[in-house]
Amino acid sequence: ELKVEQNPLFLSMQEGKNYTIYCNYSTTSDRLYWYRQDPGKSLESLFVLLSNGAVKQEGRLMASLDTKARLSTLHITAAVHDLSATYFCAVEPDAGNMLTFGGGTRLMVKP
Amino acid sequence: DTGVSQDPRHKITKRGQNVTFRCDPISEHNRLYWYRQTLGQGPEFLTYFQNEAQLEKSRLLSNRFSAERPKGSFSTLEIQRTEQGDSAMYLCASSPPGNEQYFGPGTRLTVT
Repeated sequence: ELKVEQNPLFLSMQEGKNYTIYCNYSTTSDRLYWYRQDPGKSLESLFVLLSNGAVKQEGRLMASLDTKARLSTLHITAAVHDLSATYFCAVEPDAGNMLTFGGGTRLMVKP
Repeated sequence: DTGVSQDPRHKITKRGQNVTFRCDPISEHNRLYWYRQTLGQGPEFLTYFQNEAQLEKSRLLSNRFSAERPKGSFSTLEIQRTEQGDSAMYLCASSPPGNEQYFGPGTRLTVT
């Protein structure tokens, strides 16, 4: 059974600081996704990582994938309040099949 | 193309009542997925369709739950004899074959 674990579960940080969220998964995977979710809202796709060593960046967020270690990271650079949300990673073991999500990381960025 | 839509967006029902949710996928997406998300947790897979065929169901999908996609377009998820534990956000997603899933806005169910 595929398991996806994120840490930390909760992260409170000051504006301007850097931090990394980790996502570990238990079996080989075709794809890994990062999503953002605001309270009461649906999922907003941030990144799709397809291969070992993949790195993608959008604004202050950068995601990477190490398929050998079964690890993905989401790095936040110089955090701003607008980044406050819950971030989920999700693994797709076979292309086109269901996603298995991590438990989420609730990020609060304080002024 | 307006994206995945779900109806209703919010539903409050009394325990024991039946409820039905609808999902309209992005046109020409032949795969459609249902997920459930309880408060403070990540979404959990329920079931998915390829065209009108239901290809996989999670163990979470008890016999009180049924999903259909009769013409391979929209889908419905029905919960019979609702329980308080059914309170959650129900998310629908669609995708072309082998590609990224696009999520709808969700239906929030509250069972009182």
